[in-house]
Amino acid sequence: DGGITQSPKYLFRKEGQNVTLSCEQNLNHDAMYWYRQDPGQGLRLIYYSQIVNDFQKGDIAEGYSVSREKKESFPLTVTSAQKNPTAFYLCASSRQGGSDEQYFGPGTRLTVT
Amino acid sequence: DAKTTQPNSMESNEEEPVHLPCNHSTISGTDYIHWYRQLPSQGPEYVIHGLTSNVNNRMASLAIAEDRKSSTLILHRATLRDAAVYYCILRWGNFGNEKLTFGTGTRLTIIP
Repeated sequence: DGGITQSPKYLFRKEGQNVTLSCEQNLNHDAMYWYRQDPGQGLRLIYYSQIVNDFQKGDIAEGYSVSREKKESFPLTVTSAQKNPTAFYLCASSRQGGSDEQYFGPGTRLTVT
Repeated sequence: DAKTTQPNSMESNEEEPVHLPCNHSTISGTDYIHWYRQLPSQGPEYVIHGLTSNVNNRMASLAIAEDRKSSTLILHRATLRDAAVYYCILRWGNFGNEKLTFGTGTRLTIIP
């Protein structure tokens, strides 16, 4: 079955540690995205990538980093510089172009204490 | 970025049609209108999108005003599984600007 997988579903970390969230897709999509969602809020774009080895900052990129070495994979690292890292993180992918729908993964709920 | 305005919440009875409104008065000619919905603790799910003409798919219909400044998502016969937060989003149609800007959406409650 084609789709997007994110792992793990729940992640707990101590403050000051970097943590990497996994996102893999087998839909052969060129574009991939990371969003953050806080309780009762809509999604906010962190980073996106339209092609391998290229990515752009979204609206809230500070404290995050990404890489896109393979078409299928777009991992997100939450660094210790991110002041409020506890949130629900969602990965998505789409074919190129603004008219195409985005397919979302199940999300990773990160809790930092 | 062009923005959308939606009611915070709506209620509907099960098995009745639901009309979810969205205002987007600053829409540009290349903006597509997208609708997504999100169940609790899940990723959003694509529902439908359109540019100028009304659109139908197996999930819903999208009615777009002639001036494109508003649109309405229509669920023809609501079920309990349609209870979710519905997001109306504008997305630039040209490659190179891939943002989806989500607002807070409309929380739809279905009454059995």
